[in-house]
Amino acid sequence: DADVTQTPRNRITKTGKRIMLECSQTKGHDRMYWYRQDPGLGLRLIYYSFDVKDINKGEISDGYSVSRQAQAKFSLSLESAIPNQTALYFCATSFPGYGYTFGSGTRLTVV
Amino acid sequence: GQQLNQSPQSMFIQEGEDVSMNCTSSSIFNTWLWYKQEPGEGPVLLIALYKAGELTSNGRLTAQFGITRKDSFLNISASIPSDVGIYFCAGLINYGGSQGNLIFGKGTKLSVKP
Repeated sequence: DADVTQTPRNRITKTGKRIMLECSQTKGHDRMYWYRQDPGLGLRLIYYSFDVKDINKGEISDGYSVSRQAQAKFSLSLESAIPNQTALYFCATSFPGYGYTFGSGTRLTVV
Repeated sequence: GQQLNQSPQSMFIQEGEDVSMNCTSSSIFNTWLWYKQEPGEGPVLLIALYKAGELTSNGRLTAQFGITRKDSFLNISASIPSDVGIYFCAGLINYGGSQGNLIFGKGTKLSVKP
């Protein structure tokens, strides 16, 4: 099993719909992150959580919300999806001071 | 905020050639990391550097943490077709006792012609 699992891997949704992307990890890390990847723009941080009671906005949090249900689970929601939220979304985990471990990503298309 | 300038944006090389890419910043980092992303997958950590001046190898890959702590480079020797992908640098700043977040470069897309 993968250390960081994202579901679904691919999703097509309509404008205005609410959608949730899920992430679970078996690394035992306290820190979890959601990133968005667009061609030519690299990885941009949406939200991050340093433990179950800690949620922080990243660089591009508008239009997104998150929930840290447990140490191992961190979900990202788009309350009302819009086409410019079409992107690759990655979840990552880390131990303080070390590199991040990424999931395989969710390709989201909003039509 | 902190930014990483990664170059080149893309490279088209012949199999067997050596590759060099780098990242620079106006900020000082405590840790430099290099990731590779293959199509359809998330970034995978290649090399982590924790000390200024550190030179670390991982097979045909060599990376260095710049002495000023504001830059890092990654070299790939004798490239092969499976080196194809996007390479990202990332820097980490520690604020006192707490760790900041990773800052990513925009990536270098590597294409290798057999």
